[in-house]
Amino acid sequence: DAGVIQSPRHEVTEMGQEVTLRCKPISGHNSLFWYRQTMMRGLELLIYFNNNVPIDDSGMPEDRFSAKMPNASFSTLKIQPSEPRDSAVYFCASSLSLAGGVGETQYFGPGTRLLVL
Amino acid sequence: RKEVEQDPGPFNVPEGATVAFNCTYSNSASQSFFWYRQDCRKEPKLLMSVYSSGNEDGRFTAQLNRASQYISLLIRDSKLSDSATYLCVPPEGHGQNFVFGPGTRLSVLP
Repeated sequence: DAGVIQSPRHEVTEMGQEVTLRCKPISGHNSLFWYRQTMMRGLELLIYFNNNVPIDDSGMPEDRFSAKMPNASFSTLKIQPSEPRDSAVYFCASSLSLAGGVGETQYFGPGTRLLVL
Repeated sequence: RKEVEQDPGPFNVPEGATVAFNCTYSNSASQSFFWYRQDCRKEPKLLMSVYSSGNEDGRFTAQLNRASQYISLLIRDSKLSDSATYLCVPPEGHGQNFVFGPGTRLSVLP
């Protein structure tokens, strides 16, 4: 079975450019999460969706970040304009549900390594 | 966001040793918690999920101490392949475990 798929795996861009990260969750999973990981701040939850609806976006750093989930099999995280401090590894994860128990287990994609120059 | 703390390590232990990590958290009503492991330049992967006060899986034991507000992970007979960073996801309110600890790095030495 395919796991969580993320693209691109690596992205190098210049400050001010728009960056779009993509995620395909595991088929049948109803919840999707976007995380950012840096050495300084660890793994931070940015936003999560349940049944394609954003539930909590309080972790989104600022208005430059936006996320969408137009359908159950696709989500995007967009940064516009990008800044050097956005450089990090961005992970997407999915889980069966938010209901608790075994459904809460999150399965992570391989991540997108973003470098903003 | 609730505060979750872990000793960053690194814990350098010889093969065969027993090692334990703790993860402290704020007060919560939930009882489920998780431990993930993350290898260098890889994504986190679930190691153990616990829906009670503890769980044992082979060489790994996870426990919840609700009174003292910490969860622990014990690794017995450590192997070289156990070298990784271990991330805790402690109990959170409403059973929604989305706050990861900063991680503890373990190096098992030959």
